[in-house]
Amino acid sequence: AQSVTQLGSHVSVSEGALVLLRCNYSSSVPPYLFWYVQYPNQGLQLLLKYTTGATLVKGINGFEAEFKKSETSFHLTKPSAHMSDAAEYFCAVSSYNFNKFYFGSGTKLNVKP
Amino acid sequence: DVKVTQSSRYLVKRTGEKVFLECVQDMDHENMFWYRQDPGLGLRLIYFSYDVKMKEKGDIPEGYSVSREKKERFSLILESASTNQTSMYLCASRGEGQGLGYGYTFGSGTRLTVV
Repeated sequence: AQSVTQLGSHVSVSEGALVLLRCNYSSSVPPYLFWYVQYPNQGLQLLLKYTTGATLVKGINGFEAEFKKSETSFHLTKPSAHMSDAAEYFCAVSSYNFNKFYFGSGTKLNVKP
Repeated sequence: DVKVTQSSRYLVKRTGEKVFLECVQDMDHENMFWYRQDPGLGLRLIYFSYDVKMKEKGDIPEGYSVSREKKERFSLILESASTNQTSMYLCASRGEGQGLGYGYTFGSGTRLTVV
């Protein structure tokens, strides 16, 4: 069975501050891990992904995430928040033998001026 | 770029109506998916299809059916709409040759309100 837990349905940071969005997963096989971003009234856009290889993954808009197998985590970070980062972020897990993705419940990021 | 197009951004339907949500992709993808998105629940898989005329139930198929007569089109059908089906519906696709590590391409969503 696979599942995804995102801690914190709402996160608020000041512009210029560190962004940290948490994601923990459970998977019985090596996972593929994804972060998606959703801006208001839009579909989901792929931010970054981990499949194999380097555990620190860089994505678009200055975001990165680190796969930590021992902690079953894939937290999303950005050193300095920008107003345009305000959106909802979803973590998702899949695997090589599983033609489905499981999504977390989402985290809404608010960026204060 | 791959495009996944959902025919309506907003729909308002009456309880008991039969509702069709249409999704079209233009990159010859084999796999197509329907999710519904609700606050606090994230995205939940309703149905998916890995080939023409093939379909599989997702996690919440009750009250829904699907149709895939052509490779590029995947329709979600609400046989008799109910107010608890008010939600955002997202369609996604993925090419078989891309591998599971590629990720999905999503449409912009259809916000359905059942009154």
